[in-house]
Amino acid sequence: DQQVKQNSPSLSVQEGRISILNCDYTNSMFDYFLWYKKYPAEGPTFLISISSIKDKNEDGRFTVFLNKSAKHLSLHIVPSQPGDSAVYFCAAIGVGGSQGNLIFGKGTKLSVKP
Amino acid sequence: SQTIHQWPATLVQPVGSPLSLECTVEGTSNPNLYWYRQAAGRGLQLLFYSVGIGQISSEVPQNLSASRPQDRQFILSSKKLLLSDSGFYLCAWRGEGPLYEQYFGPGTRLTVT
Repeated sequence: DQQVKQNSPSLSVQEGRISILNCDYTNSMFDYFLWYKKYPAEGPTFLISISSIKDKNEDGRFTVFLNKSAKHLSLHIVPSQPGDSAVYFCAAIGVGGSQGNLIFGKGTKLSVKP
Repeated sequence: SQTIHQWPATLVQPVGSPLSLECTVEGTSNPNLYWYRQAAGRGLQLLFYSVGIGQISSEVPQNLSASRPQDRQFILSSKKLLLSDSGFYLCAWRGEGPLYEQYFGPGTRLTVT
């Protein structure tokens, strides 16, 4: 049973527009969420995270929104650039008493067209 | 600054052959270490994690094993590879403290033929 779901396997956006990547989770014990970006044949790189005590975290062009009641988070990229084309993974963790094991979604492939 | 190394970068091995992938971390001490696999078209599957030397936890039963002979060294092994072991293997580390971000190595592309 998938605890972290990224229901859109792919997304195509025009350069300069907003990219919105979505992620849903089922485990109410998750209280820390992360987004990673992955280029082909490379390891994922950490982008941005958010704790469940917040509903928004912003870092430059990247903003993550968390809706705890809906068990939903999203990553907004504004403005989108061709270099943002990659696979984006959402991950979650329940920090209370855990060993720090992230649960990853299956990823969304973002294509930003010039 | 911390860096994580994995080798080899690519590997082609016949079915039934042994496997050894190595991961080392620099610039940190007593990290949590992780092995993940990304199979074609799938997400990141946690295989093993380690919180210290000689301490290994397995997340998925399989013909792979892991060892941590030194604080910053993590090894993924198999005695006999299967075709289904093909994939992209990633090592990651997390430091001590309240931050939960894991940092990944460059990965090893394994093809079992």
